[in-house]
Amino acid sequence: SQQGEEDPQALSIQEGENATMNCSYKTSINNLQWYRQNSGRGLVHLILIRSNEREKHSGRLRVTLDTSKKSSSLLITASRAADTASYFCATDAGAGKSTFGDGTTLTVKP
Amino acid sequence: GAVVSQHPSRVICKSGTSVKIECRSLDFQATTMFWYRQFPKQSLMLMATSNEGSKATYEQGVEKDKFLINHASLTLSTLTVTSAHPEDSSFYICSAPGTGPVGNQPQHFGDGTRLSIL
Repeated sequence: SQQGEEDPQALSIQEGENATMNCSYKTSINNLQWYRQNSGRGLVHLILIRSNEREKHSGRLRVTLDTSKKSSSLLITASRAADTASYFCATDAGAGKSTFGDGTTLTVKP
Repeated sequence: GAVVSQHPSRVICKSGTSVKIECRSLDFQATTMFWYRQFPKQSLMLMATSNEGSKATYEQGVEKDKFLINHASLTLSTLTVTSAHPEDSSFYICSAPGTGPVGNQPQHFGDGTRLSIL
């Protein structure tokens, strides 16, 4: 079964608004990663946050990690239509294997 | 940056055909690669871990005789779907770990292969 659960399953916002997606997981992790997937394509790595980190920024992306609650959030600020995609969190518990959450489908309306 | 190339991007074939999918790390070596399957509107499910120079490790419920994995070199892993049937139709994606401390390596994904069995 999947390690992670994400919410919301789908999110629709207007361009310029912020988008927040949440991810929960079940077991201890080495790190948590967020990926983006455009329809019918492979995954693009967005950001990796280690288990001893609480917050990380990359451009318009902000990721938080709360290991006590086993949860993470991805914030995309000032969204653009080009941000429309599915976003997945993935946890790495060791051996390089990634276990993916169910994903959030983000639609940004121009 | 690290790039993983996956080929072909799309395959349409008749039931009973065997299909080979290649996954190459283009500018780095990968002793380990991972194969995932993704059904429409679902998440990625890990199928197997491909190990260079040794047998692949399959996840529970994945038939190793159905999904043959060969990691022939440090830059190439292949997945062969043998005697494919319509239920094998799916999106198959490979990945390879990038550089970084062990346990904190981002995965680099290929663009995936859309397999459609008629």
